[in-house]
Amino acid sequence: GAVVSQHPSWVICKSGTSVKIECRSLDFQATTMFWYRQFPKQSLMLMATSNEGSKATYEQGVEKDKFLINHASLTLSTLTVTSAHPEDSSFYICSAFGDSSYEQYFGPGTRLTVT
Amino acid sequence: DQQVKQNSPSLSVQEGRISILNCDYTNSMFDYFLWYKKYPAEGPTFLISISSIKDKNEDGRFTVFLNKSAKHLSLHIVPSQPGDSAVYFCAALTGTASKLTFGTGTRLQVTL
Repeated sequence: GAVVSQHPSWVICKSGTSVKIECRSLDFQATTMFWYRQFPKQSLMLMATSNEGSKATYEQGVEKDKFLINHASLTLSTLTVTSAHPEDSSFYICSAFGDSSYEQYFGPGTRLTVT
Repeated sequence: DQQVKQNSPSLSVQEGRISILNCDYTNSMFDYFLWYKKYPAEGPTFLISISSIKDKNEDGRFTVFLNKSAKHLSLHIVPSQPGDSAVYFCAALTGTASKLTFGTGTRLQVTL
């Protein structure tokens, strides 16, 4: 199956700083990638849809100025958490479509802890 | 508004027995359903899917059943193995949108 990587796998940052998370499709091109976050023992919640070469589409309730998404190439999307606060601590996961229009392949996730 | 629900947060099954994980949905526009397996601190791994035009799809030990009239699907794992212990998410999408809507997950524990 298609491989999606994320970097870093975990990061600890201080409140008020910004953190960038990278999502890469390693063996296929992805015009569309998705960013999710998961709180402990909860479901995966879609944050935004990242489209190559255009602006991301954010889900209701997600602050686009806080969670900056850039999809500059067909294999890379980045999520920048700006001015991070402890409540932003979560598990962030990206996904991208594989060959099938229905199958999404997920990255391994990034654990963000804001102190 | 939880459009995809997994009402059992956890399930314990003995090794070798059948595991049945259930999922209900409310949005009649969903026409494709997927099951994902997830270990802690890892991304979900695709398991099996089913289109709304089918009522059953089988892949090895995994079978997914869909009852459209009841808006219910289930994942059967038989025989269950200790390595199956994980959290299982069902997810749904429509043909016109690519966004997955996830259920809340069921933690499966397969005991020896």
